[in-house]
Amino acid sequence: NAGVMQNPRHLVRRRGQEARLRCSPMKGHSHVYWYRQLPEEGLKFMVYLQKENIIDESGMPKERFSAEFPKEGPSILRIQQVVRGDSAAYFCASSPPGHGSPLHFGNGTRLTVT
Amino acid sequence: GQQVMQIPQYQHVQEGEDFTTYCNSSTTLSNIQWYKQRPGGHPVFLIQLVKSGEVKKQKRLTFQFGEAKKNSSLHITATQTTDVGTYFCAGLNNDMRFGAGTRLTVKP
Repeated sequence: NAGVMQNPRHLVRRRGQEARLRCSPMKGHSHVYWYRQLPEEGLKFMVYLQKENIIDESGMPKERFSAEFPKEGPSILRIQQVVRGDSAAYFCASSPPGHGSPLHFGNGTRLTVT
Repeated sequence: GQQVMQIPQYQHVQEGEDFTTYCNSSTTLSNIQWYKQRPGGHPVFLIQLVKSGEVKKQKRLTFQFGEAKKNSSLHITATQTTDVGTYFCAGLNNDMRFGAGTRLTVKP
């Protein structure tokens, strides 16, 4: 039973480019969360999605960031026109149906903006 | 909005000493979860507390949920070097919000 799969593991982008981070939840999980973590800091909530729906995006910056979880395929976190301040680890977590179920995290994507 | 505060931010102990981290929420929580993240790794679920006043144990780890369901603690007895990492609490209200974590280092 594969866990939460995130790719790429490491991503380097130049300022102004786009970054696409992918997350395939565990089998049977319909809830996906994205978190951002700066070095030596905690997990900052970004967005909570269910299939084809954004449930809570209160942690997402208003500009340049978007997320989706289509009916088929992985969840995508998209960052347009990246800036150096976007450099961080981005973790995806999934959970089964049922609000409040434990989260299973992927290994994260470490984004570096040069 | 919902805020989850966690203290201390850092804790350095000698191997064999005890360790406690505390978590406080600005709102009443439906449940609270604890996670551990090893250096360079990803958070791993440890336990979930749901009931007011609940206490759960996992070997040397003791987890408590406050009577008002707004605070929680994790206590490790006789720390070992394998306990090194960051311990996060996560409170559930409308969504899951994480505390900033307590970074534990253990000196052999």
